[in-house]
Amino acid sequence: SQQGEEDPQALSIQEGENATMNCSYKTSINNLQWYRQNSGRGLVHLILIRSNEREKHSGRLRVTLDTSKKSSSLLITASRAADTASYFCATDHTGANSKLTFGKGITLSVRP
Amino acid sequence: GAVVSQHPSRVICKSGTSVKIECRSLDFQATTMFWYRQFPKQSLMLMATSNEGSKATYEQGVEKDKFLINHASLTLSTLTVTSAHPEDSSFYICSARDVQALKETQYFGPGTRLLVL
Repeated sequence: SQQGEEDPQALSIQEGENATMNCSYKTSINNLQWYRQNSGRGLVHLILIRSNEREKHSGRLRVTLDTSKKSSSLLITASRAADTASYFCATDHTGANSKLTFGKGITLSVRP
Repeated sequence: GAVVSQHPSRVICKSGTSVKIECRSLDFQATTMFWYRQFPKQSLMLMATSNEGSKATYEQGVEKDKFLINHASLTLSTLTVTSAHPEDSSFYICSARDVQALKETQYFGPGTRLLVL
């Protein structure tokens, strides 16, 4: 399967702490994207990193990509209770005609 | 930013009936839209790729006669769940690609929760 796999599956932290989530995939990609989903809601696009990029920042988010290890990490700094949600990585695989393959997701709980 | 809407947001129907879900791109044109299904506490699984003016491309294991997709215009794609059964109960999410933006940009709708009794 080309599906990305995130770890951990669930993460509980205190407000103010940093949250690190990892994603691994199996085949070569054009880009990798991270999304957030609040319970029962749609997806919110967080950040996209292309295969020729190694690191990107957006506000409190930092994403890294290691194509040699086929892995990515999402770091949320100074977490807030409002960051509580499920986070998914999605990969746009080479030759997949822009179809996204989603990982299983990580449930992040930020305790106030 | 680009907005994608879905209607209805939730629907309850009896087993055996058909349900139509609409996906609209509100402020951009989308030659390609994608339909996903998400079961509780699980990931999104791509069901099909909807192409404006042509037949949809279905993923392996998805019955095209059960999940009818029509992409009649550059701003509207519909998914019809025919003869719905309780196992079709799920969260259906569409996404749309802006034809004028970077190919990699997809915008997601808020989802439609379907409950089949």
